[in-house]
Amino acid sequence: DGGITQSPKYLFRKEGQNVTLSCEQNLNHDAMYWYRQDPGQGLRLIYYSQIVNDFQKGDIAEGYSVSREKKESFPLTVTSAQKNPTAFYLCASSPYDRPANTGELFFGEGSRLTVL
Amino acid sequence: AQSVTQLDSQVPVFEEAPVELRCNYSSSVSVYLFWYVQYPNQGLQLLLKYLSGSTLVKGINGFEAEFNKSQTSFHLRKPSVHISDTAEYFCAVRRSNFGNEKLTFGTGTRLTIIP
Repeated sequence: DGGITQSPKYLFRKEGQNVTLSCEQNLNHDAMYWYRQDPGQGLRLIYYSQIVNDFQKGDIAEGYSVSREKKESFPLTVTSAQKNPTAFYLCASSPYDRPANTGELFFGEGSRLTVL
Repeated sequence: AQSVTQLDSQVPVFEEAPVELRCNYSSSVSVYLFWYVQYPNQGLQLLLKYLSGSTLVKGINGFEAEFNKSQTSFHLRKPSVHISDTAEYFCAVRRSNFGNEKLTFGTGTRLTIIP
């Protein structure tokens, strides 16, 4: 079945360590996104990419980095510069078929990062 | 830019009772509207969407929503809820003529079903 796979589902790390969250999609979507979710704050956009080898900062990009070397993959690195990294991270993708682009997002199952 | 307001952060409802989750948006142009559901420790799943046409939209799991342009609302309803409807619900909006624009999400409404 087509979909978005995030791994790992749960991740524990010590403070000061970089961690990389994986996101793979087989939907042949052009655009991919990373969101952070904290209780009571909804979804906040970290980074997004509309095409291979290109990405843009979202609303809360500080302390995060991404790459988009393949259409299917959009890994997120949470660096030691991120002051409060404990959160639930969601990867999403969307087709980018103008003019029919509705912006609808397809989400992965999420990765919960806990920094000890 | 547009914004989305979900007026209730938490809604408790007895099983088999009806429920309405409220969503208001602000935009001076036409929009696309979405409702997503998130079960605990899972990603978001699309419930329904309004793109154009009929203002009453039916989705999965017996949910429906009505687009009201004059009141800039897109409230989600279900006539009889089940325990399995316990989840968080997010409303999202995007202006329809802005091809590069991303979805703007509300802060979510946590629906709790009381047995």
